Amino acid sequence: QKEVEQDPGPLSVPEGAIVSLNCTYSNSAFQYFMWYRQYSRKGPELLMYTYSSGNKEDGRFTAQVDKSSKYISLFIRDSQPSDSATYLCAMALYMDSNYQLIWGAGTKLIIKP
Amino acid sequence: DAGITQSPRYKITETGRQVTLMCHQTWSHSYMFWYRQDLGHGLRLIYYSAAADITDKGEVPDGYVVSRSKTENFPLTLESATRSQTSVYFCASSDGEAIFAPIYFGEGSWLTVV
Repeated sequence: QKEVEQDPGPLSVPEGAIVSLNCTYSNSAFQYFMWYRQYSRKGPELLMYTYSSGNKEDGRFTAQVDKSSKYISLFIRDSQPSDSATYLCAMALYMDSNYQLIWGAGTKLIIKP
Repeated sequence: DAGITQSPRYKITETGRQVTLMCHQTWSHSYMFWYRQDLGHGLRLIYYSAAADITDKGEVPDGYVVSRSKTENFPLTLESATRSQTSVYFCASSDGEAIFAPIYFGEGSWLTVV
C-alpha cells in the first residue's frame, strides 16, 4: 500500500461544476499538506499549503484536511476550462532531523466547456 | 523574475552516454531538488541539497550524480544513460527548511534514451 493514494482519473466535469479532488494517506505523522497543479508539459505549481485540520480558502479553491480520517481534499468552485490540469497532493513530515515529502500520483481533471 | 531555469528542455541521447541536466535558480533558495516523473509513479526524488556542498540521496538515486558548488546551480548527471532513465526531470527549489516552505519547480527536461 502506498503512503499516499490518489485516484489518477481522468475526472471530467462540465464547466461551472464544483470539483472535488481527494487524497488519502496512511502515516499519521504527516504534518503539512499541499496541492499542486500541473499543466501539460509544465512543472507543478503550488496551489494551496496548510498544516492544520479544517478548511483553507483561496479564491475559488478550498483545501480541506481531516487528520482523524487521514484524508485531504481540494474543492474547485465555478470550474473553468483553464482548470484542466493534473492535480498533485503532497504531504510532508519532519521528525528526528529526518525530512520526508511524499507525493500522490496526481489526478487528471478535464473541464468541458 | 527568472525563477528556476532548466536546460536542455529536450534531449535525445544514446545508451551508455553521459548526460548532464542543468538547473539554475535566481532566488538564492537553500534547498534544491531533482525529481523524475513517470506515468504510474508520479514524482520521485532523485537527490536533494540543503545548501552548497551538501547533497543527499532521495528515493531513486542509482545511476545519477549531483553536485552543488554554488547555491544557484544544481546539475544532475547521468553517468551512463540507460533506457529506464527515459523520463521527464524536474528541478525544484525551496527557501529555508523545506518542510515549512513550498517547493517551486522548473519547466522540466524531457530526456529520451535510445
